[in-house]
Amino acid sequence: QKEVEQDPGPLSVPEGAIVSLNCTYSNSAFQYFMWYRQYSRKGPELLMYTYSSGNKEDGRFTAQVDKSSKYISLFIRDSQPSDSATYLCAMRGDSGGGADGLTFGKGTHLIIQP
Amino acid sequence: GAVVSQHPSWVICKSGTSVKIECRSLDFQATTMFWYRQFPKQSLMLMATSNEGSKATYEQGVEKDKFLINHASLTLSTLTVTSAHPEDSSFYICSALLGRISYNEQFFGPGTRLTVL
Repeated sequence: QKEVEQDPGPLSVPEGAIVSLNCTYSNSAFQYFMWYRQYSRKGPELLMYTYSSGNKEDGRFTAQVDKSSKYISLFIRDSQPSDSATYLCAMRGDSGGGADGLTFGKGTHLIIQP
Repeated sequence: GAVVSQHPSWVICKSGTSVKIECRSLDFQATTMFWYRQFPKQSLMLMATSNEGSKATYEQGVEKDKFLINHASLTLSTLTVTSAHPEDSSFYICSALLGRISYNEQFFGPGTRLTVL
């Protein structure tokens, strides 16, 4: 079993829809949970991070972490064509003073149809 | 925001040759940089952690003699793929760690596509 599972998609939704992206993981040592957005031929860009369980909201984006289920989600409200990209979940522990490498999911290719 | 560059963006080389990839933090200093590799349809996989002025820490299964990492300054880390073979063809991406009060964030470069013939 891979450490982080993420459906690669593609996920295609109409403009304005609510998008739900998810990852599951197996390593209970993970404490920080991140969502990155990656456009073609670009490096990943951090969207949001969450420490431990809970919800975090930033504009149209909401991140949720349920450590008991080892399940994280990213919700995008009022989706726009410009949101079309690959969304990567990533996570790390907290043992290296913040200098731990990240464990990534495969990324979900999201397409927002105008 | 913080910017990380990589050079070259793509490289094609013959089997048996060595290739050097540079990772630079352009507007901040990074004590720690990371090197990742991504094969088609696979996730980004951490290869090694590079610390300025000390030896890199390699992940299990990554050959340190094949993937030489040098982090000689606070803005530059290099990855050299020695005696490259076709199975080393991949997308190599680096990140640089920017420390903040609340969270240490990794900023990623745009990646380097390596093709070994």
